[in-house]
Amino acid sequence: AQSVAQPEDQVNVAEGNPLTVKCTYSVSGNPYLFWYVQYPNRGLQFLLKYITGDNLVKGSYGFEAEFNKSQTSFHLKKPSALVSDSALYFCAVLQGNTPLVFGKGTRLSVIA
Amino acid sequence: ETGVTQTPRHLVMGMTNKKSLKCEQHLGHNAMYWYKQSAKKPLELMFVYSLEERVENNSVPSRFSPECPNSSHLFLHLHTLQPEDSALYLCASSQDHDTFTRNTIYFGEGSWLTVV
Repeated sequence: AQSVAQPEDQVNVAEGNPLTVKCTYSVSGNPYLFWYVQYPNRGLQFLLKYITGDNLVKGSYGFEAEFNKSQTSFHLKKPSALVSDSALYFCAVLQGNTPLVFGKGTRLSVIA
Repeated sequence: ETGVTQTPRHLVMGMTNKKSLKCEQHLGHNAMYWYKQSAKKPLELMFVYSLEERVENNSVPSRFSPECPNSSHLFLHLHTLQPEDSALYLCASSQDHDTFTRNTIYFGEGSWLTVV
């Protein structure tokens, strides 16, 4: 069965510093990987996805994620964090004809 | 705006009430979804509809009853709910439900449900 893990419930980073939100996945074949963000009292917003091709995927709001097949990871990154990036981030994995599976989410707090 | 609109945004209901959540998508998508988001738990997929036919029903209690009258509208009818059903209910849509096409799922803002 496919699954996705976000090992950190909470990530704190100072404004202007680089940020990383971790995600690892477990699927038996080629995964399709997604990141979503949820701001307070809002629904989930699509950030980026990896389907195939370049391992570094660029998405909305300056975020990017790197697909690493050997480490089965798809960490979300941003070179310089903003206070407005504070939100809940979800990694999700898709394989074959099965529904999207979400991680538990990581709460990012960017401190001014 | 994501193109997926949910109403009401907030709902408080007693355990004996009957209420409905409504979702409308303006994206021309063929698939619609209901997810449940509870605190400290992963998002739970409840139902998937493709071209108005239910294609996924993840062991959801019968007190939740979905309805998809057309590809743009999705309802979740609620009846005799329990306090533990209090959660954020998210509607979503995608071009197709067939995940081989790797479609992006777009979410609505959610309906906060409190059962008292």
